[in-house]
Amino acid sequence: DTAVSQTPKYLVTQMGNDKSIKCEQNLGHDTMYWYKQDSKKFLKIMFSYNNKELIINETVPNRFSPKSPDKAHLNLHINSLELGDSAVYFCASSQGRRDRHFGSGTRLTVV
Amino acid sequence: AQKVTQAQTEISVVEKEDVTLDCVYETRDTTYYLFWYKQPPSGELVFLIRRNSFDEQNEISGRYSWNFQKSTSSFNFTITASQVVDSAVYFCALVSGSARQLTFGSGTQLTVLP
Repeated sequence: DTAVSQTPKYLVTQMGNDKSIKCEQNLGHDTMYWYKQDSKKFLKIMFSYNNKELIINETVPNRFSPKSPDKAHLNLHINSLELGDSAVYFCASSQGRRDRHFGSGTRLTVV
Repeated sequence: AQKVTQAQTEISVVEKEDVTLDCVYETRDTTYYLFWYKQPPSGELVFLIRRNSFDEQNEISGRYSWNFQKSTSSFNFTITASQVVDSAVYFCALVSGSARQLTFGSGTQLTVLP
């Protein structure tokens, strides 16, 4: 069983569209995250939810909106996609500050 | 504030050579965790090791070893007898104090040539 699964793996879309990336973890962790990896491979935290509550919200355009329907899910919705949003987005989970378990990533390409 | 520096952007070695990837961290907290992750060409992030600030023992796992030195704020990673399959981007990361966010270094691209 995959511990942290995110879908889709690849997403190609046009500028201005709205898209969502889904993430689910079956580890029983209390905290979930979204990270963005840019073209230079730099990884940066975007959001973190603990028990469905937002606890980290880095400087991210408000076109990005995370939604956590329950502890096991953290989805990322992006409105009005721009070329600069092209990146790999990783979902992760942890129990407290312990090991982060990462999903396999979603490669978003905005054309 | 927490910061991780991986000064080596790219390293190339020939198979069977030993290679050390450097990691220097900054934090004001006395309690923190250090991590190494591997990102192979397929793109996933593979957890390699977690070390807490109170455990300075070096660790060895097969061909991998880690040298944690609080005196120099370093957590270096050595691969012995490197193999082509070790080619990947390696990230060092830190979470400290009450912070929940994992701060990554910029990564080191390791290429092992046959």
